[in-house]
Amino acid sequence: SQQGEEDPQALSIQEGENATMNCSYKTSINNLQWYRQNSGRGLVHLILIRSNEREKHSGRLRVTLDTSKKSSSLLITASRAADTASYFCATYSWGYQKVTFGTGTKLQVIP
Amino acid sequence: EAQVTQNPRYLITVTGKKLTVTCSQNMNHEYMSWYRQDPGLGLRQIYYSMNVEVTDKGDVPEGYKVSRKEKRNFPLILESPSPNQTSLYFCASSDRGETQYFGPGTRLLVL
Repeated sequence: SQQGEEDPQALSIQEGENATMNCSYKTSINNLQWYRQNSGRGLVHLILIRSNEREKHSGRLRVTLDTSKKSSSLLITASRAADTASYFCATYSWGYQKVTFGTGTKLQVIP
Repeated sequence: EAQVTQNPRYLITVTGKKLTVTCSQNMNHEYMSWYRQDPGLGLRQIYYSMNVEVTDKGDVPEGYKVSRKEKRNFPLILESPSPNQTSLYFCASSDRGETQYFGPGTRLLVL
């Protein structure tokens, strides 16, 4: 069963705007990971945030994690056309010994 | 270069004809997984392996087999493929619970 659920399913913005995607999950986790996938290609890791962390940055990416609400958000600032892709959150739990992906958010950045 | 390779990249086959998709990683990772990706369903885990000779079912294991005889290789076997196994397949490897490195994907069409 899916652990992570992304919201929105699709997002269309103008170049230069910020894009925010949300992920909710159901069980306790050890870490949460965000990945990007360009159309039909392999997933590329963006950021990993651990359960004892609340916020993490990498370049134009900012990830927050709220374990009390079982949710995470990915913010892409000053978006570019090259950011057009699908974004997935994935959760890892020691108890389940596996990584579970959500259904993804499809982001379109219009030049 | 750290990488995960999959072969073949594209495959068209007929119902019932056994096939194997190979996966190999050069990062000495203990953890390897197979996923399938279908429109609207995100990535669903088929099988995973935590080390040599240690494998376990993911969320959608029916109709698939795996083996882990060597640390670097994790082949996916479809003993009797059916049309509902038409999908995009990804292999991934990682240190347990950490960032996953994905292969380029295998597009399978079962007629």
